[in-house]
Amino acid sequence: AQKVTQAQTEISVVEKEDVTLDCVYETRDTTYYLFWYKQPPSGELVFLIRRNSFDEQNEISGRYSWNFQKSTSSFNFTITASQVVDSAVYFCALSEALYNTDKLIFGTGTRLQVFP
Amino acid sequence: EADIYQTPRYLVIGTGKKITLECSQTMGHDKMYWYQQDPGMELHLIHYSYGVNSTEKGDLSSESTVSRIRTEHFPLTLESARPSHTSQYLCASRAGQGFNEQYFGPGTRLTVT
Repeated sequence: AQKVTQAQTEISVVEKEDVTLDCVYETRDTTYYLFWYKQPPSGELVFLIRRNSFDEQNEISGRYSWNFQKSTSSFNFTITASQVVDSAVYFCALSEALYNTDKLIFGTGTRLQVFP
Repeated sequence: EADIYQTPRYLVIGTGKKITLECSQTMGHDKMYWYQQDPGMELHLIHYSYGVNSTEKGDLSSESTVSRIRTEHFPLTLESARPSHTSQYLCASRAGQGFNEQYFGPGTRLTVT
């Protein structure tokens, strides 16, 4: 069955620390897409990244980086030198090419608090 | 930047009232979605639409109904609000082709007293 697990419910760090948010997924499909979204206190979900199952290259965007490993079914998100503005709830999500193609399967989210 | 709008942003209403939550997008997206988000953060899909005159129920049973008469508009209606409907409601849309990301509106926080 398809599932996304974010085992870390809440993480607290001090500004400038690096932090990694874990995401583990389950799928029976061989073609699928993984996403990360950020939900700041304002409530809107902001799209951060999409990866397909055939592209295991790590991605870096400024202070953000993503590590996709099919062998461990993980798609982890690292924030380098965290800032207070990074405080938000972060969601990992899965979309399958063959099953449930129109839906995003969300994890339960990780609340990140960055203290000054 | 996504152009998807929800109104109202906040609504406090008494039990038994009929309410409609509005969602509009200007991107011409075929597919639209409604999610309910509980205080524990988890997102639940309650309705979605493939296009005009298409509506489907999501994974979480909901007493709400939706309609899709125009591509850009996907309102959600509760005929008789109850305290159990108190939640955050998020609308999203995505382009129909491929496996594109969903873009989300700012949400409506509904409180039923």
